[in-house]
Amino acid sequence: DAGITQSPRYKITETGRQVTLMCHQTWSHSYMFWYRQDLGHGLRLIYYSAAADITDKGEVPDGYVVSRSKTENFPLTLESATRSQTSVYFCASSETVNTEAFFGQGTRLTVV
Amino acid sequence: AQKITQTQPGMFVQEKEAVTLDCTYDTSDPSYGLFWYKQPSSGEMIFLIYQGSYDQQNATEGRYSLNFQKARKSANLVISASQLGDSAMYFCAMREHNTGNQFYFGTGTSLTVIP
Repeated sequence: DAGITQSPRYKITETGRQVTLMCHQTWSHSYMFWYRQDLGHGLRLIYYSAAADITDKGEVPDGYVVSRSKTENFPLTLESATRSQTSVYFCASSETVNTEAFFGQGTRLTVV
Repeated sequence: AQKITQTQPGMFVQEKEAVTLDCTYDTSDPSYGLFWYKQPSSGEMIFLIYQGSYDQQNATEGRYSLNFQKARKSANLVISASQLGDSAMYFCAMREHNTGNQFYFGTGTSLTVIP
């Protein structure tokens, strides 16, 4: 299917566990982004990537790791999950700096 | 400092009336883009409208228009003839072209359209 997809849609994990959220886009967009959405904070940028093998920190990168070995994939890993990382996570991609970002459906992560 | 500020946590508008959602931004990059997104209760993010910093005219897309005041660093969204389906969260966003290409979002405004 064309577009941008995230998996899983829902995830419950325990404190201290490592968890990876997947993001896959079929357009070969250069730019990809990870956000977390929390009530009262809007969307905050965790990491972004301008191309394969190029990643950079956003506003709230602590506790997260990303990689981008292929243009179409941009996984986000929580190395040791904490309750404060309970959130809705959105992945997005855009073709150029002047075009809109297309968002995945979101992953609702609960850390217990 | 906040890159994007949305000062209206919640707004109400009567059906068929127009409504303005405020957005101010902060940047020293002369080249940037401003975006508005809609997030209905179902959760997906829907792109509405884009304005480039060098665009001379305000952007319009159907019932959406962006009131771009560059000197005041504001990019307000105007929705004309509100419909019940416009009830949603609205996010303003900015992308700086020369300083990292990060995509910043505001905290959002919850719009409720009253029949």
